[in-house]
Amino acid sequence: NAGVTQTPKFQVLKTGQSMTLQCAQDMNHNSMYWYRQDPGMGLRLIYYSASEGTTDKGEVPNGYNVPRLNKREFSLRLESAAPSQTSVYFCASSGTGYGEQYFGPGTRLTVT
Amino acid sequence: KQEVTQIPAALSVPEGENLVLNCSFTDSAIYNLQWFRQDPGKGLTSLLLIQSSQREQTSGRLNASLDKSSGRSTLYIAASQPGDSATYLCAVGAGGTSYGKLTFGQGTILTVHP
Repeated sequence: NAGVTQTPKFQVLKTGQSMTLQCAQDMNHNSMYWYRQDPGMGLRLIYYSASEGTTDKGEVPNGYNVPRLNKREFSLRLESAAPSQTSVYFCASSGTGYGEQYFGPGTRLTVT
Repeated sequence: KQEVTQIPAALSVPEGENLVLNCSFTDSAIYNLQWFRQDPGKGLTSLLLIQSSQREQTSGRLNASLDKSSGRSTLYIAASQPGDSATYLCAVGAGGTSYGKLTFGQGTILTVHP
C-alpha cells in the first residue's frame, strides 16, 4: 500500500506562474485535506473535501483552487503564485471527517 | 477560534527516561485529538487517535490521555530511545460545521541522546 502520495517533491516557481500539486490516496478514503506548514505558524488547513464532489475552505484558502477529481485524487492549484505561498504543502486523507488522518510526504514549494 | 499549545517547545533527555509531552486547547468542543510525529524533512506519522468519548489510548511504549473538560492531553513515552527523536505534534478535531478540520499545536522537538 502506497498510502498518500504527492508529486512533485520539490518545485521552484516564479511569481505569477501557475502549477498544480498532485495528491492521491489508495486507502478508499472519503475525506481529503490540504495543509501548509510554515516556520512559526505550524500546520494550517487550506481546503478539505469531505467526499467526492465537495470542497470547503479551511483557515488559509486564498490563492488556491482544489479540484476533487475523483475519490482517489485531490489536487491543489495555484493560479498565480506569490512569494507568500512559499511553504511545505501536505496532503492528508481519512476514512471520514471524524477519522484518523494519514499524511503524504509533502511538496516543498519556493516562489521567487 | 481553537488554539492549541504544546509545552515544552523542546526537550532533551538521556536514553531510557520516561517523559511527558503536554498539549492544551482552548475550546473543549472537540470530537477527537490526534498525536503525530514528524522527522526532519518528512511528512507526519500518526501515533495515536483519541475520540472525545475516550480517556486514553495506548500503542507500545506510547500512552496518550485526554481530559476534555480541562482542555488537556498528555503523551507519555516510556523508556525513551534515540529513535524517538523527532517533533511531536498534537492536533484537535472539531465537529459540527468544522467537520474534519484539525487545528495543530506548534510541536515539541524531542531529542533523546545515547
